Amino acid sequence: KAGVTQTPRYLIKTRGQQVTLSCSPISGHRSVSWYQQTPGQGLQFLFEYFSETQRNKGNFPGRFSGRQFSNSRSEMNVSTLELGDSALYLCASTLQGMGETQYFGPGTRLLVL
Amino acid sequence: GQQLNQSPQSMFIQEGEDVSMNCTSSSIFNTWLWYKQDPGEGPVLLIALYKAGELTSNGRLTAQFGITRKDSFLNISASIPSDVGIYFCAGPVYPNTNAGKSTFGDGTTLTVKP
Repeated sequence: KAGVTQTPRYLIKTRGQQVTLSCSPISGHRSVSWYQQTPGQGLQFLFEYFSETQRNKGNFPGRFSGRQFSNSRSEMNVSTLELGDSALYLCASTLQGMGETQYFGPGTRLLVL
Repeated sequence: GQQLNQSPQSMFIQEGEDVSMNCTSSSIFNTWLWYKQDPGEGPVLLIALYKAGELTSNGRLTAQFGITRKDSFLNISASIPSDVGIYFCAGPVYPNTNAGKSTFGDGTTLTVKP
């Protein structure tokens, strides 16, 4: 089975812009979670989607949003980018999202200038 | 919220040496996961533990799920240069009411000197 894929791998944006990142889960996995990873804060949970519905959300401002499509692919969007949004954004998938082992994609490295 | 205390924070060892790192929590876990992350890449699952007391090996790696369900350790035997990276412990908290969310330790950065 192919693993979790994320596009793009690298992205450079300027403050105030918006960005959309994409994640394709492992085939058959219906739960997709997003994390932000920074050197100072470690891995921080953003949100989780299952069957096109957001079931869980971390403590991030409303500028961070996401969605999931019927084929389980997910996108996350960050609007009005700030310098502090520079991070590695990781996507993880599981079958149901209820305690199973998460499998991660390679991440999207976002740099905000 | 639930927190995982991972130690040591970093390790500098000589090639060939054995390595041991551990994770503790004040909360019960019903799954313990160990991941390795290379710079600029996503975490890769090394070992998953599902049962208290379970001892599982994956090549030179061995991990154990503590019987209290509140701790786990990872051992690497005969380290090699490609073992360099950041090792994370993680897991959903029991009972799992947080859909799709795993809690992560802060990581152990391993450096192996040839």
